[in-house]
Amino acid sequence: EAGVTQSPTHLIKTRGQQATLRCSPISGHTSVYWYQQALGLGLQFLLWYDEGEERNRGNFPPRFSGRQFPNYSSELNVNALELEDSALYLCASTWVAWGSNQPQHFGDGTRLSIL
Amino acid sequence: SQQGEEDPQALSIQEGENATMNCSYKTSINNLQWYRQNSGRGLVHLILIRSNEREKHSGRLRVTLDTSKKSSSLLITASRAADTASYFCATDGAAGNKLTFGGGTRVLVKP
Repeated sequence: EAGVTQSPTHLIKTRGQQATLRCSPISGHTSVYWYQQALGLGLQFLLWYDEGEERNRGNFPPRFSGRQFPNYSSELNVNALELEDSALYLCASTWVAWGSNQPQHFGDGTRLSIL
Repeated sequence: SQQGEEDPQALSIQEGENATMNCSYKTSINNLQWYRQNSGRGLVHLILIRSNEREKHSGRLRVTLDTSKKSSSLLITASRAADTASYFCATDGAAGNKLTFGGGTRVLVKP
């Protein structure tokens, strides 16, 4: 069974540009989660999508947005990139939502570097 | 924001020794999970313990949960060099399935 896949592995952008990160969940999983792991800030929850809808959002500005497609894959878009957006962005998936006590399965992440 | 603290921040042991790390959290939880991360790569799920459980085992891993103290511990027995990684606890509370992570413990197992 293929795990969670993320692309690209690395992404280099300059300040003010826009970045798009992609995630394919494990087959059969309907919930997708995005996390940011920045130096000094640890792992922080960004967004949760389930069945195509945004269900929860972390404490991030509106220039962080995303969507989930009918095949349950997801995109994370970051507009007007700032230096502090440099981080490892991790995607995770589960097959049942709403407090089901299921572990989240993570991809290997996209490392976003802002120059 | 971080849910809580992990202790210690770093741990260095010899192969064969046991490694223990602790996690504290602040709010009520549905479950607590432990993850491993190798060299800035993705997180690997290790074990999930529900709020009504007190202890759980998986291979060389033993996790305890004390909800009255809002704390958990992860014990790795008979450590191996391949156990060198960062270990994170994460809580799944009532606020919509998001995981709230601790700061992590960096474990170095010397051969």
